Amino acid sequence: DGGITQSPKYLFRKEGQNVTLSCEQNLNHDAMYWYRQDPGQGLRLIYYSQIVNDFQKGDIAEGYSVSREKKESFPLTVTSAQKNPTAFYLCASRTSYNEQFFGPGTRLTVL
Amino acid sequence: GDSVTQMEGPVTLSEEAFLTINCTYTATGYPSLFWYVQYPGEGLQLLLKATKADDKGSNKGFEATYRKETTSFHLEKGSVQVSDSAVYFCALTPNSGYSTLTFGKGTMLLVSP
Repeated sequence: DGGITQSPKYLFRKEGQNVTLSCEQNLNHDAMYWYRQDPGQGLRLIYYSQIVNDFQKGDIAEGYSVSREKKESFPLTVTSAQKNPTAFYLCASRTSYNEQFFGPGTRLTVL
Repeated sequence: GDSVTQMEGPVTLSEEAFLTINCTYTATGYPSLFWYVQYPGEGLQLLLKATKADDKGSNKGFEATYRKETTSFHLEKGSVQVSDSAVYFCALTPNSGYSTLTFGKGTMLLVSP
């Protein structure tokens, strides 16, 4: 079955640590996205990538970094510079019809 | 810039009631419009979409019509079920080139038996 996987489902981070969230898709989509979701805030775009080896900042990129070395993979690193990283993180990829398909999400908690 | 405004929730209904969740948007040109649904602890699922004025998107009993004159894309369902309890997001994307989604803040729907 084609789809998007994210791991881990739950992640705990100590203050000052960097953590990396995994996102993999086997849908053969060129474009991939990372969103952050906070209660009552909707989704906010962190980074997106339209093609391998290229990515752009979204609305809230500070304290985050990404890479896009393979079409299938778009990992997100939450760095120690992100002051309030506790949130639900969602990865998505996009079809040629502008439809985005989402993974199941990773819930990050800072201890 | 583009924006999406949804009615605040929670919307609380009894099973078999009629559902309307309002969504209005601000955008240049003619965007594509979407409704996504999120069940507790999960990612978003595409529910329906419309790509041009007067298009009606429909799926699983839900419908929404793209109204250019009122810049609206209200979600409706004739008879809700307990299993419809979720958060619903309205979103838009410009129809030009590669583009990102702009989401509303979401509306929680709670359906009681």
